[in-house]
Amino acid sequence: ETGVTQTPRHLVMGMTNKKSLKCEQHLGHNAMYWYKQSAKKPLELMFVYSLEERVENNSVPSRFSPECPNSSHLFLHLHTLQPEDSALYLCASSQVGRLNTEAFFGQGTRLTVV
Amino acid sequence: DAKTTQPPSMDCAEGRAANLPCNHSTISGNEYVYWYRQIHSQGPQYIIHGLKNNETNEMASLIITEDRKSSTLILPHATLRDTAVYYCIVRVGGNQGGKLIFGQGTELSVKP
Repeated sequence: ETGVTQTPRHLVMGMTNKKSLKCEQHLGHNAMYWYKQSAKKPLELMFVYSLEERVENNSVPSRFSPECPNSSHLFLHLHTLQPEDSALYLCASSQVGRLNTEAFFGQGTRLTVV
Repeated sequence: DAKTTQPPSMDCAEGRAANLPCNHSTISGNEYVYWYRQIHSQGPQYIIHGLKNNETNEMASLIITEDRKSSTLILPHATLRDTAVYYCIVRVGGNQGGKLIFGQGTELSVKP
């Protein structure tokens, strides 16, 4: 238990569906992150939120839409995905500022697009 | 962010020390060295981090060279459960979002 909880753990969706991934952190951190990990590849940073503002968007297609309503919650809204978007989606949080803390990761959502 | 270079794979005998090297020759003065590991299909797990001094915790030791251009993660008594991909990351301090950029990592296999 890392203090970062992701739901659902597994998701199968069709290409025309709309779904959302949820991440919640109970660590009092002020920054949250979405990563994508495709099979046998390293983690790719998708989005960074610091103090509830998006500070980084790494050229992610618009079919992925993040939302950070408060410092404890982060969502990834999914719309008209492609089969190649099937991957493990990981959320992380950390405290950023003068001294950054280590980031803690959730267990991920295994997404399959059919 | 500075780039890191790690060997793609290593083997280690159970009970022996595992020494995982990392090169980060372009590291800048405000960048920390972090180590994470990822056991198959789980979220990455934080291990240890340091700036310029050697660090030790209950999981591992981190040795950083004096010029900070390389480091070594030491698992003193490797067990089968230490089999994982180990990532060495340099991360800037301050308010820039604290992002972690992962490379390919080292796949460590601990064998009986």
